[in-house]
Amino acid sequence: AQSVTQLGSHVSVSEGALVLLRCNYSSSVPPYLFWYVQYPNQGLQLLLKYTSAATLVKGINGFEAEFKKSETSFHLTKPSAHMSDAAEYFCAVTTGFQKLVFGTGTRLLVSP
Amino acid sequence: DAMVIQNPRYQVTQFGKPVTLSCSQTLNHNVMYWYQQKSSQAPKLLFHYYDKDFNNEADTPDNFQSRRPNTSFCFLDIRSPGLGDAAMYLCATSRVDSKGNEQFFGPGTRLTVL
Repeated sequence: AQSVTQLGSHVSVSEGALVLLRCNYSSSVPPYLFWYVQYPNQGLQLLLKYTSAATLVKGINGFEAEFKKSETSFHLTKPSAHMSDAAEYFCAVTTGFQKLVFGTGTRLLVSP
Repeated sequence: DAMVIQNPRYQVTQFGKPVTLSCSQTLNHNVMYWYQQKSSQAPKLLFHYYDKDFNNEADTPDNFQSRRPNTSFCFLDIRSPGLGDAAMYLCATSRVDSKGNEQFFGPGTRLTVL
């Protein structure tokens, strides 16, 4: 069975600062990993995904994530936060045609 | 643009009064999912359809039912809504042959139970 742990239910950064949202996964087989973003009263939007190709994955809105098998991590980063990045972020894992297993989410707060 | 559409975006119902939420997709995906998301929580999978095959999660209450009359549409029926069923309901779709089973989400329907 797979699982995902997101460290930090809330992360606060200043506008222009580095964004780092942590995600660690557990999987007995090679995983597929996703980061989704959710704005208030909206559905989930895919930011990026890892599907066993390049370990450094670039997504939309300037976000990227690096798959590190040795650390079982898939942390999400963005070099410079923007006010519009304030949202809830979910990391998720699957191992093929199976259910997505979501982390508990991290709320990103961006201050001016 | 190909997309997942949910109607209505906001639904208010009374305690015990049946309600139906609607989802449609123009992606021609063979899998459709229904999730329940409560405030500050991750989405919780209720059930999914793989083509016409219905797959219920073990902990989904009997109060929740679903129908998929064709590839494009899927409905969530709540037979007797309780106050605890107030939540955001998310529909998602995927292609079973897509790498990693990427899911595409609709905007959600926020259900209020009075």
